[in-house]
Amino acid sequence: GAVVSQHPSRVICKSGTSVKIECRSLDFQATTMFWYRQFPKQSLMLMATSNEGSKATYEQGVEKDKFLINHASLTLSTLTVTSAHPEDSSFYICSASKWSGTEAFFGQGTRLTVV
Amino acid sequence: DAKTTQPNSMESNEEEPVHLPCNHSTISGTDYIHWYRQLPSQGPEYVIHGLTSNVNNRMASLAIAEDRKSSTLILHRATLRDAAVYYCILRIFGNQGGKLIFGQGTELSVKP
Repeated sequence: GAVVSQHPSRVICKSGTSVKIECRSLDFQATTMFWYRQFPKQSLMLMATSNEGSKATYEQGVEKDKFLINHASLTLSTLTVTSAHPEDSSFYICSASKWSGTEAFFGQGTRLTVV
Repeated sequence: DAKTTQPNSMESNEEEPVHLPCNHSTISGTDYIHWYRQLPSQGPEYVIHGLTSNVNNRMASLAIAEDRKSSTLILHRATLRDAAVYYCILRIFGNQGGKLIFGQGTELSVKP
């Protein structure tokens, strides 16, 4: 099946700094990618829809100035957590689908720890 | 977005079949029924999807009720590696499918 890759898989940062997470579709082009956040023992929560060449669409309650999304090419979307705080520590996951397909492919996730 | 309802948890014995139910009474005609599973500390993995007819693939089978208001994911012979959280999700077809909204899923444990 198609492959979606995230980088890094784990990151530890100091409170107040920014962290960038990359999501790449390795063998297909994706005009739309999705970013999720997952806290321990909870389900995935959709944060935003990343659209190539245009602004991301954020879900209600997600701060767009804190979680910056850039989708500059058909194979890469980035999520930047700005001024990170310990409460931003979470598992961040991206997904993408082929244009003509219906199943979603997920990255392996990024474990962010803010200390 | 149409919602799905699943039991919080289920148990199975190794090498026995497992039937994971899902209710989706508000499903619309354009919704496909998707199943994904998530192992600990990993991103979700696609399992199977269908529209109206039952579906089989190498991982599982999907049985869809005639009125499409419920479905069942069938693992024919559970293994320890099948222990995961299974999510039943409705998704429209094409145009990269639209967003996936995850419910709480069913945590499947498999006993040796």
